[in-house]
Amino acid sequence: EAGVAQSPRYKIIEKRQSVAFWCNPISGHATLYWYQQILGQGPKLLIQFQNNGVVDDSQLPKDRFSAERLKGVDSTLKIQPAKLEDSAVYLCASSLDLDRVNYGYTFGSGTRLTVV
Amino acid sequence: AQSVSQHNHHVILSEAASLELGCNYSYGGTVNLFWYVQYPGQHLQLLLKYFSGDPLVKGIKGFEAEFIKSKFSFNLRKPSVQWSDTAEYFCAVINQAGTALIFGKGTTLSVSS
Repeated sequence: EAGVAQSPRYKIIEKRQSVAFWCNPISGHATLYWYQQILGQGPKLLIQFQNNGVVDDSQLPKDRFSAERLKGVDSTLKIQPAKLEDSAVYLCASSLDLDRVNYGYTFGSGTRLTVV
Repeated sequence: AQSVSQHNHHVILSEAASLELGCNYSYGGTVNLFWYVQYPGQHLQLLLKYFSGDPLVKGIKGFEAEFIKSKFSFNLRKPSVQWSDTAEYFCAVINQAGTALIFGKGTTLSVSS
């Protein structure tokens, strides 16, 4: 099966600019996650979708970050305006369903964002 | 809230040495635990998982982990490491809602040939 697709792989922007990341989960996977991985740290959950609804966005900095999954398939994560501390790898992951999370989930390769 | 601690930040071993990476979690109830690996330039991959049954879990590439409830631990082991095991290893636990994974900070393993 095809994996989780993410684009772009790399992005360099200046602070205060905006940026968007795209994710296409494994076909049929209802649950989609966005994680932020800062260098030297583990992935931190930003937002979680079940189909096109938000399950948990408690750790998403909503003053600058937004995410959507309008048709319950692919998703975009946006940062506007970006700050230096947003430099990180943004990981997308998907799971078959919420009740299958205990089987683990599949990650994409990530988008490495550098804010200068 | 659930949390995961990985004690070793960077481990350096020679080939054929034995490996044990520590992982402790905070929640005392039913837990689902995972080890993920990230090889250089690749995406995170599931090594093994535990959610019930035999506390000794075997995963891919000769790795195993033991769930010790009394110690809140889920340490990763491999009897003999290879150069190709050089990677970053992350322990994770499912959150109390059962809907997402919480990751530790990771341990970088460097194996010299």
